[in-house]
Amino acid sequence: AQTVTQSQPEMSVQEAETVTLSCTYDTSESDYYLFWYKQPPSRQMILVIRQEAYKQQNATENRFSVNFQKAAKSFSLKISDSQLGDAAMYFCAYRSVRSGGTASKLTFGTGTRLQVTL
Amino acid sequence: DTAVSQTPKYLVTQMGNDKSIKCEQNLGHDTMYWYKQDSKKFLKIMFSYNNKELIINETVPNRFSPKSPDKAHLNLHINSLELGDSAVYFCASSQDNYEQYFGPGTRLTVT
Repeated sequence: AQTVTQSQPEMSVQEAETVTLSCTYDTSESDYYLFWYKQPPSRQMILVIRQEAYKQQNATENRFSVNFQKAAKSFSLKISDSQLGDAAMYFCAYRSVRSGGTASKLTFGTGTRLQVTL
Repeated sequence: DTAVSQTPKYLVTQMGNDKSIKCEQNLGHDTMYWYKQDSKKFLKIMFSYNNKELIINETVPNRFSPKSPDKAHLNLHINSLELGDSAVYFCASSQDNYEQYFGPGTRLTVT
């Protein structure tokens, strides 16, 4: 079974600075998807970024980028030019690339609460 | 237009009652899910349906029963509610191997 670990329960960053959230995972599969979801106080789960394991290039979405290290099974999220609106819980998630059955589920880490200070 | 909607958003009820949470998606997705987020914010899959067929049924008490009348709807019925059922329940949907889109969540409080 796959597991996802987020070792930082809380992180803090000053506005306009850069912060990196860590995520490691364990799997025996060679192909899979990894995601970062953001959950602000409104509790809505918002997809931030997605990475396919077969792609060597790290995904980027505006101020959000990942550092995907497949051999190390590491998938960190970098937020540049942090804004007050980035304050939220961030969840790392794993999904198998296989179709059907339990493969389609997301396995989540325990989350990292990000505070953004002035 | 709301992509994945859930009703109600808040539900307060007493122990022993039976309640339902409804979910609808207008994205045309084939697969829908129920996740539970506990008080420590941990999210875990409960059920998944693909084209009205149950494909995931994690270790959830029998008091929880999902129902999918069509591929755009996935409801969650809970019998004999217990204090430990208090949580936020999220519905989500996806198409093939693409990312899952989540509803706004239903905060269930059992007193």
